[in-house]
Amino acid sequence: DTGVSQDPRHKITKRGQNVTFRCDPISEHNRLYWYRQTLGQGPEFLTYFQNEAQLEKSRLLSDRFSAERPKGSFSTLEIQRTEQGDSAMYLCASSHLGLAGGPVEQFFGPGTRLTVL
Amino acid sequence: DAKTTQPNSMESNEEEPVHLPCNHSTISGTDYIHWYRQLPSQGPEYVIHGLTSNVNNRMASLAIAEDRKSSTLILHRATLRDAAVYYCILKEGGSGNTGKLIFGQGTTLQVKP
Repeated sequence: DTGVSQDPRHKITKRGQNVTFRCDPISEHNRLYWYRQTLGQGPEFLTYFQNEAQLEKSRLLSDRFSAERPKGSFSTLEIQRTEQGDSAMYLCASSHLGLAGGPVEQFFGPGTRLTVL
Repeated sequence: DAKTTQPNSMESNEEEPVHLPCNHSTISGTDYIHWYRQLPSQGPEYVIHGLTSNVNNRMASLAIAEDRKSSTLILHRATLRDAAVYYCILKEGGSGNTGKLIFGQGTTLQVKP
């Protein structure tokens, strides 16, 4: 399967602990996105990378959150000092760059479900 | 990105057509209309997109109103596997766009056997 993969699929942690999630995009995709989804809501944009550069961060991404894409391939999302409000599904997506800003399909991974106790 | 309005939920019978409406009265000339769906316990998946003309692909059809202020996603024969949350999203075109998707609440489609 050459789709977007995420690891782990589930993570249970205690409040105050740090957690790190990994996303492996489709190999030739330049763009990589992180979204967060809470129960009953649509996904919310967190941040995106074009190759290794992080080009936009949502105001939802507090200073406890950090994302990296060191070589323009896989990406990690770290949450420090987790809080119960961080409990959510964290989704990763990737896409081509697209031509002249035209529409480009995003391919989503299965997500990492985080539960903070 | 401009806002869309969709019904919270819809029901359909298996093997019947389903028309999922979306209103986007503040759409701008460069906004593309995208549809994604999210099956239970999965990430969203792309369904279809369009700008002005109606579009067909293997999954669905997209009918866009002449004034572009509304659109309808058409599933020609619903199956139980089509039960999902369907999201209608406007994405700005142009070379400066980031490609990020702004999801609303979507429409939860139930398909009855």
